Amino acid sequence: AQSVTQLDSHVSVSEGTPVLLRCNYSSSYSPSLFWYVQHPNKGLQLLLKYTSAATLVKGINGFEAEFKKSETSFHLTKPSAHMSDAAEYFCVVSPGGKLIFGQGTELSVKP
Amino acid sequence: EAGVAQSPRYKIIEKRQSVAFWCNPISGHATLYWYQQILGQGPKLLIQFQNNGVVDDSQLPKDRFSAERLKGVDSTLKIQPAKLEDSAVYLCASSLGLAESNEQFFGPGTRLTVL
Repeated sequence: AQSVTQLDSHVSVSEGTPVLLRCNYSSSYSPSLFWYVQHPNKGLQLLLKYTSAATLVKGINGFEAEFKKSETSFHLTKPSAHMSDAAEYFCVVSPGGKLIFGQGTELSVKP
Repeated sequence: EAGVAQSPRYKIIEKRQSVAFWCNPISGHATLYWYQQILGQGPKLLIQFQNNGVVDDSQLPKDRFSAERLKGVDSTLKIQPAKLEDSAVYLCASSLGLAESNEQFFGPGTRLTVL
């Protein structure tokens, strides 16, 4: 069965510093992987997706993620955090079109 | 382009009462999903429709939950009778089809509180 594990439940950074949100996946084959963001009282929004093309995936709002098969990881990064990045982030694997979500990482951004 | 619409946005009921949620997907999207998101957790798929047929309802507690998409467009999710542990946000999503690469678009959700 496919699954994802988000290694941090909460990450706090200062505005202008790099962001790293960690995700490991478990899959018997090369999976489709996604990162979604959920702002308070708003719907889930797709940040980026990996579907076995380039291993470095660029998404919206300056985020990117790198698929590393040898490490079974799909970590989300951003060079410089902005206050508006504060939200809940979900790493997601998609077997057969169904989405299986990780537990989420809450990102706080300090001024 | 209009997004996924859900109503109501909030609902408070007492245990053992019944409740229904409504979802209207993006026009032209054949696949519709209902997820349950308990506070502090990621969303969990309850049921997946392709047009008006059920593709996967393996995680749906069928003794109390039911869902339908009779005309292959909008959908309703019902809980009868509700339990305290059903307190959660119920999210509806839609996509063009079943392919893994298809993006799912989410509605704002319905926050259910069971007292």
